[in-house]
Amino acid sequence: GQQLNQSPQSMFIQEGEDVSMNCTSSSIFNTWLWYKQDPGEGPVLLIALYKAGELTSNGRLTAQFGITRKDSFLNISASIPSDVGIYFCAGPLSNDYKLSFGAGTTVTVRA
Amino acid sequence: DTAVSQTPKYLVTQMGNDKSIKCEQNLGHDTMYWYKQDSKKFLKIMFSYNNKELIINETVPNRFSPKSPDKAHLNLHINSLELGDSAVYFCASSSPGRKNTGELFFGEGSRLTVL
Repeated sequence: GQQLNQSPQSMFIQEGEDVSMNCTSSSIFNTWLWYKQDPGEGPVLLIALYKAGELTSNGRLTAQFGITRKDSFLNISASIPSDVGIYFCAGPLSNDYKLSFGAGTTVTVRA
Repeated sequence: DTAVSQTPKYLVTQMGNDKSIKCEQNLGHDTMYWYKQDSKKFLKIMFSYNNKELIINETVPNRFSPKSPDKAHLNLHINSLELGDSAVYFCASSSPGRKNTGELFFGEGSRLTVL
C-alpha cells in the first residue's frame, strides 16, 4: 500500500530556532495535510495543501506541496516551548474516506 | 462545547473482558472514523461510517465491532480483550462535501490498557 515517509523521526531544538521536517510518498497525492498532536490530545489540523507547488502559511508555520506531488515539507520559524508535540503529515488514499498518516516527527524544545 | 467527544478517556481492564468506547460529534458531519494509535504513535485507520453505513473496514480482528446508531455517534465495542489491544483509540469526523480533503476533526482519545 501507499506509505508516507516522514523525517526526521524526532528533533530537539533550541527556542528561537527555525526547524524543518518533510514527508515523501511513493505515490502521488492530491492533498497534503499537516497535523499536530499535543501530549494527551488528538491531532489538530495545522495546514492543508491542495495544489502542487502551493506554499501556505499559518502563523509561524509554513508548508509546501511538492511540485512532483510526492512530497511536502513543514517549517516552524522562531520555535517556542508550545511547539512541543508530534507533527504528522497525512494524505488521502485513493478511497475518499481514507487518510494515511506519516509516522510523525516528535519535537522537543529546549528552553 | 467539545466538537468530537469520546468516553471514557482512560480504560484499564483485564484480558478477556469486553469493553466499549463511545464517540459523539456535534459538528453536523456525516462521516466518522476510528483510528488506533500504537505505542510508537503510529495512527492507523480502523473503521469509517458515512451516514450510519460502514464504508471502511480495515484488517481489524472481528473482536472489534463498530456501531453507528446515527450519524452523530460512532461506538466501538471490543470483545475478548488482548494485551496487544492496548493503545489510544481516536474517534474523528469529517465535513460533508470535504470528505476527500482529509480534514478530520479528532476527539481527545481513549487510552485503553489491557492487563
